[in-house]
Amino acid sequence: GESVGLHLPTLSVQEGDNSIINCAYSNSASDYFIWYKQESGKGPQFIIDIRSNMDKRQGQRVTVLLNKTVKHLSLQIAATQPGDSAVYFCAENILNDYKLSFGAGTTVTVRA
Amino acid sequence: IAGITQAPTSQILAAGRRMTLRCTQDMRHNAMYWYRQDLGLGLRLIHYSNTAGTTGKGEVPDGYSVSRANTDDFPLTLASAVPSQTSVYFCASSDSPSREQFFGPGTRLTVL
Repeated sequence: GESVGLHLPTLSVQEGDNSIINCAYSNSASDYFIWYKQESGKGPQFIIDIRSNMDKRQGQRVTVLLNKTVKHLSLQIAATQPGDSAVYFCAENILNDYKLSFGAGTTVTVRA
Repeated sequence: IAGITQAPTSQILAAGRRMTLRCTQDMRHNAMYWYRQDLGLGLRLIHYSNTAGTTGKGEVPDGYSVSRANTDDFPLTLASAVPSQTSVYFCASSDSPSREQFFGPGTRLTVL
């Protein structure tokens, strides 16, 4: 069977390695999902989004995977760089509802 | 102005005082939101507005009020501040449901 990634509040990654950040969402009716990055002292910044009719979406160095069966979302960052050090939040949304529900966040630290 | 601005950047306030946090966006987005961010609790929605003239309560509305007289501005008022309202406050906007929200830089509020 397919394993479900555990949500960890912190993640330490060696520079150049790939990072995987996991998120379990709560509402089976959610059909739109977003990943945000928040650097220290700044507001959250949009990274990538995915709708429930997809299971994978790629951006520049980032990939989001969606598993609706187990209500799991992951963000993969390729070739992690020092500038990727930040807190990463997943957020979920229900169709035609403006409101987002945010997860607790994962703090990523990149080791040189 | 580009995006969302918030004022003040930070504020120290005596308990019992009234305080209004300001938020302005220049993207002509329909919806605006206020969140508070506390360590370990992620982002929690205080109030939101889907369009000018309408507002709604979020997850933690008690002790806060908002108004939306026009598209661009969405002030958040603490009528009588209490120490538990010490937090970082973020304003956000979006142009439609199931779309990303854009965040301002935040206001750090300390209530003594």
